[in-house]
Amino acid sequence: AQTVTQSQPEMSVQEAETVTLSCTYDTSESDYYLFWYKQPPSRQMILVIRQEAYKQQNATENRFSVNFQKAAKSFSLKISDSQLGDAAMYFCAYRITGGGADGLTFGKGTHLIIQP
Amino acid sequence: DTEVTQTPKHLVMGMTNKKSLKCEQHMGHRAMYWYKQKAKKPPELMFVYSYEKLSINESVPSRFSPECPNSSLLNLHLHALQPEDSALYLCASSQGLTGTSDSQYFGPGTRLLVL
Repeated sequence: AQTVTQSQPEMSVQEAETVTLSCTYDTSESDYYLFWYKQPPSRQMILVIRQEAYKQQNATENRFSVNFQKAAKSFSLKISDSQLGDAAMYFCAYRITGGGADGLTFGKGTHLIIQP
Repeated sequence: DTEVTQTPKHLVMGMTNKKSLKCEQHMGHRAMYWYKQKAKKPPELMFVYSYEKLSINESVPSRFSPECPNSSLLNLHLHALQPEDSALYLCASSQGLTGTSDSQYFGPGTRLLVL
């Protein structure tokens, strides 16, 4: 079974600074997808960024970028120029390829606090 | 438009009640999901529908009964629930295409309290 581990229950960063959230996973599959989701206190889960395992290039979405290390099974999220609106619970998630409809396996989450 | 809607937002029910949660999407997605999320925990997969057929059932108790009337709608029928079933129930949808980084889009959830 696949597992996703987020070792930082909580992180705090000053506004405008950069923060990195860690995620490791365990799988025997060679093809899979990785995602970061954000869940603010209002509870709507929002997709932040995704990475295909077959792609060597790290995904970026504006201020959000990932460091994907396939051999190390590591998938960290870097948030640059942190903003107050970035405060939320961040979940790392994994999905296998193959069938088009497969559930996500989530890590336990990292609570990100933005200090003004 | 990446909107998934869920009704009701909040629901309080007794252990003998029967109620239903509803989810709707108009993105043309062919896969829909139910997740259960307890407080301060990650979502846990319950059911997956692919092209209106139940494709994954994660050993969920029979007091939860999913239904997919059409490609846009997903229901979760609740009967004889227990207090430990109190949670946030999240619906999600995705295109359901094989071999793609098919992202799932989530609704705002229904906060369920079982008394």
